[in-house]
Amino acid sequence: NAGVMQNPRHLVRRRGQEARLRCSPMKGHSHVYWYRQLPEEGLKFMVYLQKENIIDESGMPKERFSAEFPKEGPSILRIQQVVRGDSAAYFCASSPQSGEQYFGPGTRLTVT
Amino acid sequence: QKEVEQNSGPLSVPEGAIASLNCTYSDRGSQSFFWYRQYSGKSPELIMFIYSNGDKEDGRFTAQLNKASQYVSLLIRDSQPSDSATYLCVGPPGAGGTSYGKLTFGQGTILTVHP
Repeated sequence: NAGVMQNPRHLVRRRGQEARLRCSPMKGHSHVYWYRQLPEEGLKFMVYLQKENIIDESGMPKERFSAEFPKEGPSILRIQQVVRGDSAAYFCASSPQSGEQYFGPGTRLTVT
Repeated sequence: QKEVEQNSGPLSVPEGAIASLNCTYSDRGSQSFFWYRQYSGKSPELIMFIYSNGDKEDGRFTAQLNKASQYVSLLIRDSQPSDSATYLCVGPPGAGGTSYGKLTFGQGTILTVHP
């Protein structure tokens, strides 16, 4: 049973470019969550999605960040016009219902 | 006041000892807690979850939930150097009036098991 999958594992972008991070939840899981971890800091919740719906985006920065979880395909976290402060590890988690969450390996974003 | 607080600072134990990690929480209605382990540079790994009062054992790990005293603990028996990691105690989704999907992570407790 494959776990949560994220790609790419490492992503390098120049300032001003767009970053797209993908997350495929565990089989049978319909809830997806995105978290961000800055260097030497704890995980911070960003957004909670179910298929085709954003349930809670209270942790998303107001500008440049967006997330979706379409009916078909992976969940996408999109960061437009990246800045150096966006450099972080981005983790996706999934759950079958709103219970225990299982994390993917993360995407390390580096903005140069 | 934080919903869930990990009380102990960095913890160092010798190999083979019992490591005890503790959290307290403020919401008496909290029903579920999760323990995650995170190795440096890796993603959090769910190692235990507990939904009811009492003890839950899984191999060398025991999670304890005491609703009367409002604390949660994780015991690691026969600690190994490979257990060295940051351990995160996480309260129930929806704590503090947040959405039911949001987990709130603290800084965790760094455990070092030395040979």
